[in-house]
Amino acid sequence: QKEVEQNSGPLSVPEGAIASLNCTYSDRGSQSFFWYRQYSGKSPELIMSIYSNGDKEDGRFTAQLNKASQYVSLLIRDSQPSDSATYLCAGYSGGYQKVTFGTGTKLQVIP
Amino acid sequence: DAGVTQSPTHLIKTRGQHVTLRCSPISGHKSVSWYQQVLGQGPQFIFQYYEKEERGRGNFPDRFSARQFPNYSSELNVNALLLGDSALYLCASSLGGAYGEKLFFGSGTQLSVL
Repeated sequence: QKEVEQNSGPLSVPEGAIASLNCTYSDRGSQSFFWYRQYSGKSPELIMSIYSNGDKEDGRFTAQLNKASQYVSLLIRDSQPSDSATYLCAGYSGGYQKVTFGTGTKLQVIP
Repeated sequence: DAGVTQSPTHLIKTRGQHVTLRCSPISGHKSVSWYQQVLGQGPQFIFQYYEKEERGRGNFPDRFSARQFPNYSSELNVNALLLGDSALYLCASSLGGAYGEKLFFGSGTQLSVL
């Protein structure tokens, strides 16, 4: 059983639209969640972290967490072609537990 | 400030050989984690070291080993390489401790086993 699950995509959205990326997790002990962006051939880059239920906004990015439903999402407003990448969802259970990654969702923003 | 540095960038080995990958964390970070990423998959956890002690180990065979040095740099060693070990090996640096592990990744080492 995968601990963090994502739809692999690709998710295609037109330029300027809102991209919605979703993630579910199985470990109810997970405390913190992260979204990483990974361009093709590059390493993952942290773009958002969220620790409590609700929304967290940072520029064009909004992370949403619902611990009761074990659901995390990332919204990208005014999507740009430069947002085209794979987005990795990750969860962390605290202490010296590992950070667990999903398989990633590939986003394509069409000009 | 320098980010996480990994070396080498690319490596080509043959089956049965041994490989050593190196990582220097961000200054002030005491924790180093190693991940393996196969094309099309998310990073898979291999090891975590904090203050030179192993704090976690993923589901990898004993052919994989690692260590952390007093300056917090780290080495990942893989013995008796198999074709299936071909992957991007990522080193991640973090402050360490008990909450909110934000990982900062190096550029990775692309290992090809022929």
